[in-house]
Amino acid sequence: QLQLQGSGPGLVKPSETLSLTCTVSGGSISSGSYYWGWIRQPPGKGLEWIGNIYYSGSTFYNPSLKSRVTISVDTSKNQFSLKLSSVTAADTSVYYCARTGIAIFGVAYYYMDVWGKGTTVTVSS
Amino acid sequence: QSVLTQPPSASETPGQRVTISCSGSSSNIGSKSVSWYQQLPGTAPKLLIYRNNQRPSGVPDRFSGSKSGTSASLAISGLQSEDEADYYCAAWDDSLNGLYVFGTGTKVTVL
Repeated sequence: QLQLQGSGPGLVKPSETLSLTCTVSGGSISSGSYYWGWIRQPPGKGLEWIGNIYYSGSTFYNPSLKSRVTISVDTSKNQFSLKLSSVTAADTSVYYCARTGIAIFGVAYYYMDVWGKGTTVTVSS
Repeated sequence: QSVLTQPPSASETPGQRVTISCSGSSSNIGSKSVSWYQQLPGTAPKLLIYRNNQRPSGVPDRFSGSKSGTSASLAISGLQSEDEADYYCAAWDDSLNGLYVFGTGTKVTVL
């Protein structure tokens, strides 16, 4: 059964870079035509999509975060990662990694069918 | 930033049916498939419906999704206490070079 586990520091200082990694187990990140990505949820608020990466390395980012976000994939480690630069208190959230879609005959269908448990990240000095 | 609008809350007694609406536009629901997620308190969201009306294996058939024009709906029939949760619709949006958008969320309370 496919499982995702996010990891990374729970506390980041303002202006620094938030770095999280998602480890995929029970399946290969490079098998099938899947997308992988990150979603966040500020305390008491709704869900916000951060971005996706295709298993081949193509990336898609939320325009509101695009200037600060980098998502990468390491197929040798079966992991994908998130970097968010110049963080502020507004970036304090639970960060979820997820399998975020599939390409079928060249058409992309986006939906998050497997989620990690979430990593709480607080931005504070 | 949410461009998909949901009612903030819905409630019904056990065994009854509750319907949650999700209103969008031609750049998202009107041209793309809709998915629905259930989030129980303190847990990660769970996929309930994908491609407008498809249920992943393991999701009870009490949950059903539909779409018409630029709106979508999630119906929960035979409401149970364990259905008390937050529900989010979502879809890809072709505006702003493309982004995945979630709805504003609906808190379902089982009375």
